[in-house]
Amino acid sequence: ETGVTQTPRHLVMGMTNKKSLKCEQHLGHNAMYWYKQSAKKPLELMFVYNFKEQTENNSVPSRFSPECPNSSHLFLHLHTLQPEDSALYLCASSQEGPGTPYNEQFFGPGTRLTVL
Amino acid sequence: GQNIDQPTEMTATEGAIVQINCTYQTSGFNGLFWYQQHAGEAPTFLSYNVLDGLEEKGRFSSFLSRSKGYSYLLLKELQMKDSASYLCAVFSDDYKLSFGAGTTVTVRA
Repeated sequence: ETGVTQTPRHLVMGMTNKKSLKCEQHLGHNAMYWYKQSAKKPLELMFVYNFKEQTENNSVPSRFSPECPNSSHLFLHLHTLQPEDSALYLCASSQEGPGTPYNEQFFGPGTRLTVL
Repeated sequence: GQNIDQPTEMTATEGAIVQINCTYQTSGFNGLFWYQQHAGEAPTFLSYNVLDGLEEKGRFSSFLSRSKGYSYLLLKELQMKDSASYLCAVFSDDYKLSFGAGTTVTVRA
């Protein structure tokens, strides 16, 4: 595997379910990100991890819970979601953390989440 | 908050040129990225501008004017595979990346 991978690619869940999204980067990067992409809207930054430490929580509801066990893996745990949470969830990584100039982010293909 | 505007949709003919404009109002500026995103796929890096002027990379060029808060992505000799969404993103003062909503380009034969 190369680059940034995400599983599952598609997920349908009920509002009472608990599920997790997984992201893995094979680039040796130090920072990882979760974004939400809704139709016709800008990507919204949700969480940032730098060297496994959370450095950013962009006012995300507590029904989204991130976990970063090491620099290569990032999870997003989901519980009691709402239909408006249906979106494409993108994971990204970068060599350095936020605060570094020219810090290109490499994106995974995303998980298309539908909440019924 | 950050404000980044780009057109929602553009259509062009194969072989033609298309220019996608992006205007931004952000708290400071530390660079502007353009990403390409095909439907159902990851955004991929196209270009990065931090100084005024034109950066050329094959069929794609990106221009920046910091005084005007303006950038454009120029796609030349359009091919069918260029049909995608193009995202403008700006690094603001705190080096957070803020995205525009994206411009969907449709290339017709």
